[in-house]
This record gives sequence, C-alpha cells and structure tokens, in this order.
Amino acid sequence: GAVVSQHPSRVICKSGTSVKIECRSLDFQATTMFWYRQFPKQSLMLMATSNEGSKATYEQGVEKDKFLINHASLTLSTLTVTSAHPEDSSFYICSASPSDRGRKMNTEAFFGQGTRLTVV
Amino acid sequence: GNSVTQMEGPVTLSEEAFLTINCTYTATGYPSLFWYVQYPGEGLQLLLKATKADDKGSNKGFEATYRKETTSFHLEKGSVQVSDSAVYFCALPNTGNQFYFGTGTSLTVIP
Repeated sequence: GAVVSQHPSRVICKSGTSVKIECRSLDFQATTMFWYRQFPKQSLMLMATSNEGSKATYEQGVEKDKFLINHASLTLSTLTVTSAHPEDSSFYICSASPSDRGRKMNTEAFFGQGTRLTVV
Repeated sequence: GNSVTQMEGPVTLSEEAFLTINCTYTATGYPSLFWYVQYPGEGLQLLLKATKADDKGSNKGFEATYRKETTSFHLEKGSVQVSDSAVYFCALPNTGNQFYFGTGTSLTVIP
C-alpha cells in the first residue's frame, strides 16, 4: 500500500525556537497533503491543507504565520512551527492521498507516523 | 457540512468480549466511510472502509456496515484481544480528501 513518512517522530525544543516537520509520500505523488493536530485524549483537528506549488489553506483559528507550510514538490510537504511555545506541544500528523493532477484517484488517506512535539 | 458523531469512551472490556463502537454520520451525497486505529504512540492506520451503502468493511476480525437508512457505520468485533487496545476513529472524507474524524474511542482490553 501507499506509504507516507513523517519525520521526526519526536522532537523536544526550547521555547522561542522553530521546528520543521517533514511529510513525504514515498511511492505516490500528492498534489494535496493535510496537516492535523491532536491534543491529548482528543480527536484530530485539521489545521491546514498543503497545496503543491501554491499557498496553503488554513482552517479558521490556525495562525498561518506561526504554522508555516511549504509544499515544494509532489512528494514533500513541510510544517514549520515558528517561535514555539509550550502550548504548541502536541501530536502533529500529516496525510496524503494518491492523486492525478486535477483529479482525485482515491479517497483513502494515508497517514504519517505523527510527530510528538514538546516545547520546554 | 459533513460530520461524524462517535460513541465516547473510554471502553474497557475483558478479553474475548464483544465490542461495538457506534458511529453516525451526516454527509452530502454518499461518501466512503472509514475506521482508523491508533495504537499507543503511533500514527493512524486504516482499519477498514466501505465505499457505498450496504457495503461491509472488514479486517482483523473487525466489521462495519455502511447503513444509509440509519446513517451509521458501527464498528464491531466478536471477540477482542489485548492487542486490540487502541483508539478507534470513525472518519469520512470531505471534498479534496481532507477527513472529518469522530472524537475517538479509547479501548482497553484486559486479560
């Protein structure tokens, strides 16, 4: 099956620093990838939609200047948490689906392993 | 818009007990329906899916039937094992393959 790789799986950073999380589709191309955030004992909430070659689309309440998203190729999206604070500590997960340019081939989403971010 | 409502947990069962986790949905049209599982410390994995009404998805002894008349997609397993302990999410896709997730149901199976 399709594989999405997310890196790093865990990161601890100091307050005020920035952290970059990578999401790669290993065996398919994805024009769109999604970033979710999961608080302890809660469900996943969509943060933003990463679009290859264009600006990301952010959900209401998500600060685009704090959560920078770059989707520079059809297999890689990055999420950078800028000037991280302890309240940014969370579990971040990306997802992607195989897609043709301009047409969705499959509604199943494949998820990365997730990144546990701890800001101290 | 699309949404899912999932039975809240946590759920604790003894090994070999019967499991049901309820999920109902609201959707425009007839999207595919999914159950994802998250084992401790890991990301989400697809457990099963159904693509149209009356379809039954199944995997690892788990089953769920896409019921259009009751807008439900309840997850069932006849005999749970300790290794089934995880968080289970009901989900349905929106346009563009973003997903709406239920709140998640934590299952603990005790020997």
